[in-house]
Amino acid sequence: DAGVTQSPTHLIKTRGQQVTLRCSPKSGHDTVSWYQQALGQGPQFIFQYYEEEERQRGNFPDRFSGHQFPNYSSELNVNALLLGDSALYLCASSMDRVYGYTFGSGTRLTVV
Amino acid sequence: RKEVEQDPGPFNVPEGATVAFNCTYSNSASQSFFWYRQDCRKEPKLLMSVYSSGNEDGRFTAQLNRASQYISLLIRDSKLSDSATYLCGCAGANNLFFGTGTRLTVIP
Repeated sequence: DAGVTQSPTHLIKTRGQQVTLRCSPKSGHDTVSWYQQALGQGPQFIFQYYEEEERQRGNFPDRFSGHQFPNYSSELNVNALLLGDSALYLCASSMDRVYGYTFGSGTRLTVV
Repeated sequence: RKEVEQDPGPFNVPEGATVAFNCTYSNSASQSFFWYRQDCRKEPKLLMSVYSSGNEDGRFTAQLNRASQYISLLIRDSKLSDSATYLCGCAGANNLFFGTGTRLTVIP
């Protein structure tokens, strides 16, 4: 049973560029959430997707956008990258909140 | 105000010690509660869900106090392998918020 898969695992981008991160949820899960985790901090909620729509958004600017596809996979897009966007980006999938979210191993983004 | 507040530690305890972590949440509408474990440079992994009645899994005990909006995790007989960061999570209808995490180091 495949867990949550994310790609790429590492990425280096230049300030001002745009980046797209990808996530495939765990089999049987239909909800995808994205998180940003800076070094030494807890994961910060970016947004959640369900039925191809953004259900809720955390305190992140519009430079952060997403998409969910009919097969439940998801993309996170970040435009006009800033140095401060350097972080581990985690995708988590879920089916029933009672059982918690399952995380992928993340994409480590470095903006130079 | 942050959705979830945790003492970041670090907690350095000897093997065999009992250690407790606490967490408070601000949204009284939060529906589900969790403790996650995160090893260095790895993803968070679900340790246990937290129920109002309290729940235990081996050496780990979690408690929820809805009136005080407070969650706790107790680890008994600490092992070296328990060294990690422990994240408290509170879920609403369409989200799951985390605290900053509490770093635990178990010392031989």
